[in-house]
Amino acid sequence: DIQMTQSPSAMSASVGDRVTITCRASQGISNSLAWFQQTPGKVPKRLIYAASSLQTGVPSRFSGSGSGTEFTLTISSLQPEDFATYYCLQHGSYPYTFGRGTKLEI
Amino acid sequence: QVQLVQSGSEVKGPGASLKVSCKASGYTFTDYSIHWVRQAPGQGLEWMGVIDPNGDRTNFAQKFQGRITMTTDTSTSTVFMELSSLRSDDTALYFCARTLTGSGTDWWGQGTLVIVSS
Repeated sequence: DIQMTQSPSAMSASVGDRVTITCRASQGISNSLAWFQQTPGKVPKRLIYAASSLQTGVPSRFSGSGSGTEFTLTISSLQPEDFATYYCLQHGSYPYTFGRGTKLEI
Repeated sequence: QVQLVQSGSEVKGPGASLKVSCKASGYTFTDYSIHWVRQAPGQGLEWMGVIDPNGDRTNFAQKFQGRITMTTDTSTSTVFMELSSLRSDDTALYFCARTLTGSGTDWWGQGTLVIVSS
């Protein structure tokens, strides 16, 4: 199975900050990576697909990059509604695997 | 409007089996695979497996092999996920989801809370 190492597991930031979250795959997955956001009590919501494509309706302050084994999610200027937990999901091969999550706190 | 509506919460004893349903509407049922993802209390997301309603091909996470089954009923556009030999660490919120990969909007069921307790 492909392991996804996501870092950091938690971080504190302020409104307006630029934030970067990283996922590393244990083997190459091309661009088969998605990023999800989950706020407490809500279902996850996909932000990025194919490593760098922005989901329709997602604010442009979110961006994704990477290919192969290293991927990043960047939030260019944090907004209050962005404080949530973020997960990467690799779908390069079965079984798909999520990263362990990054909790973004004020 | 795409909707995935899951069955209600369940309480099961250790060793029992679980069957959760996910009824799809608003799109052609056989056009999209359905994934199952679970989340233990206070924990992260865990991908469990996927079923392609167009032929019922499945893929499962290794840790569930041998005790998970996924089936479909195309007459009612419903996907079923069965998990047997339940343990306390199977206590979780179980989600079905569509379009986790590829372009297009991801759609999720509302979640089914399963508690495994003696």
